[in-house]
Amino acid sequence: AQSVTQPDIHITVSEGASLELRCNYSYGATPYLFWYVQSPGQGLQLLLKYFSGDTLVQGIKGFEAEFKRSQSSFNLRKPSVHWSDAAEYFCAVGAGAGGFKTIFGAGTRLFVKA
Amino acid sequence: DTAVSQTPKYLVTQMGNDKSIKCEQNLGHDTMYWYKQDSKKFLKIMFSYNNKELIINETVPNRFSPKSPDKAHLNLHINSLELGDSAVYFCASSQLIRRDRGSTDTQYFGPGTRLTVL
Repeated sequence: AQSVTQPDIHITVSEGASLELRCNYSYGATPYLFWYVQSPGQGLQLLLKYFSGDTLVQGIKGFEAEFKRSQSSFNLRKPSVHWSDAAEYFCAVGAGAGGFKTIFGAGTRLFVKA
Repeated sequence: DTAVSQTPKYLVTQMGNDKSIKCEQNLGHDTMYWYKQDSKKFLKIMFSYNNKELIINETVPNRFSPKSPDKAHLNLHINSLELGDSAVYFCASSQLIRRDRGSTDTQYFGPGTRLTVL
């Protein structure tokens, strides 16, 4: 069965420091991969997605993610974190094979300290 | 110009009551979803409709009944509310990319409905 694992429940980084959020997936075929962000009291918003092609994808707000098939990973990165990046981040895989589902990871809460 | 809207934003009610949450999208998408997010932020799919046809029906109590009058609307009716139903419910929509693989593009989420059952 398809699954998504985000190993870190929460991460704290200093403002201006770099960030990497980890995501591992389990899926038999080529996955559709997504990163979403949820600010407090809001719905989820897409940061970036990977369907095919260049394995390094750029997203909004200066985020990028790299698809590594050999490691079944799709880690999210940002070179310099801003206080406004504090939020919950969800990795997701579009689980096809007729499933029509998008499977979400449990989320990683990002705290940014001044 | 809201893409996915839900009403109400907050819903406080007594156990045993029946309530509905409405969702509308103006993105022209063909697929709509209901998710339940618990207090630990875990997001669980409940239902999905594609062109008004039910395509995902997870293990959800039959007290929950979705209704899709047209492609742009997906409402959620809940009967005999229980304490454990308290959560944030999100509506979302997306466009199907490949029907043979059941793969959909980006999901656009509504702002959520916070349901509190007393």
